Amino acid sequence: QKEVEQNSGPLSVPEGAIASLNCTYSDRGSQSFFWYRQYSGKSPELIMSIYSNGDKEDGRFTAQLNKASQYVSLLIRDSQPSDSATYLCAVNTPYGGATNKLIFGTGTLLAVQP
Amino acid sequence: DAGVIQSPRHEVTEMGQEVTLRCKPISGHDYLFWYRQTMMRGLELLIYFNNNVPIDDSGMPEDRFSAKMPNASFSTLKIQPSEPRDSAVYFCASSFTTYEQYFGPGTRLTVT
Repeated sequence: QKEVEQNSGPLSVPEGAIASLNCTYSDRGSQSFFWYRQYSGKSPELIMSIYSNGDKEDGRFTAQLNKASQYVSLLIRDSQPSDSATYLCAVNTPYGGATNKLIFGTGTLLAVQP
Repeated sequence: DAGVIQSPRHEVTEMGQEVTLRCKPISGHDYLFWYRQTMMRGLELLIYFNNNVPIDDSGMPEDRFSAKMPNASFSTLKIQPSEPRDSAVYFCASSFTTYEQYFGPGTRLTVT
């Protein structure tokens, strides 16, 4: 079982719709969760971090965390063609002294259709 | 402020040659990470440093790979000898105490 799982997509949504991206993780000891956006040929860009259960909103982005279900999601409201990218979920699971190690999912490709 | 700086941006080399990738982290950051990204394996952590000291190198694929961080503003990842299967994009990232990592632009390595 992979430590961090994401549907590879592509997830296709029309412009203006809500895009919902999902991620599950295997280790219940995981403490910190991140969403990165990666445009084709570019480096990952941090867009959201979440540390406690519930929702965290930043502009058009909302991260949702449910530790009991080992599930984290990213909602993008009013999706724009410029949101088309691969979204990587990353999870921090401290092992001994390796407290800053992130495990990345393989990413979900989002395509926003104009 | 400048972000993470990596050089070169592109490297093409022949099998058997030595390759050195360079990284300058964001000033003040105390953690530095080296990742490799391929279509098949996604984004993999190779090694990371805290205050210039290697903490976890369990992701380094084999002895052909080595990494150093001689000071807080510079790190290198060396592959010797290089092989075609090393072709990938190599990213350097840095963070300050928290877990939020910031990535450099990457080095696209092609080994022929």
